[in-house]
Amino acid sequence: GDSVTQMEGPVTLSEEAFLTINCTYTATGYPSLFWYVQYPGEGLQLLLKATKADDKGSNKGFEATYRKETTSFHLEKGSVQVSDSAVYFCALILQGAQKLVFGQGTRLTINP
Amino acid sequence: GAGVSQSPSNKVTEKGKDVELRCDPISGHTALYWYRQSLGQGLEFLIYFQGNSAPDKSGLPSDRFSAERTGGSVSTLTIQRTQQEDSAVYLCASRPGPTNEKLFFGSGTQLSVL
Repeated sequence: GDSVTQMEGPVTLSEEAFLTINCTYTATGYPSLFWYVQYPGEGLQLLLKATKADDKGSNKGFEATYRKETTSFHLEKGSVQVSDSAVYFCALILQGAQKLVFGQGTRLTINP
Repeated sequence: GAGVSQSPSNKVTEKGKDVELRCDPISGHTALYWYRQSLGQGLEFLIYFQGNSAPDKSGLPSDRFSAERTGGSVSTLTIQRTQQEDSAVYLCASRPGPTNEKLFFGSGTQLSVL
């Protein structure tokens, strides 16, 4: 079945470090890909998305590129801040489908 | 309201009791989802509503779990005869329609079964 696999957490970095959170997927069709973020005490919110191969989603300094050849959608940020501390979820939805499939989430902690 | 509202925010219950979790989606959103977030697990899909009907309830773990939606708005997730493994955060999400991909999530109900 369709699935999303994220790198194991937790991830702890210092402020201004470079961030990569790996995400790979398995899909029977042609999915759209997403990163959602869950800040402490809040609901999940959409961070960025990409709907076709080679698209790059970006928001708040975060980027992710839809790589069909490697079935990946890795999240990157050049210089993280303490306020980026959160749980990050990679997700997919197939064209015409109604259900988002999520990865297990990666907890990120940024220390000052 | 401005966002998806869930109640209660926390629920502690004894094993064997029934619980009801409520979700108020964003006004006008026709699609509504329930997910479960367990410690160390990802978001597990439970059920999807389009209007008042549930075309996909494939994620409900057992027949102790049921959900309904009335008036195309409020949804209730009911867990009967709760077990300790039901302890998790239950998340509700809505979106404007079946072709809009962005989900809007509530803050969840933390359920603890003692």
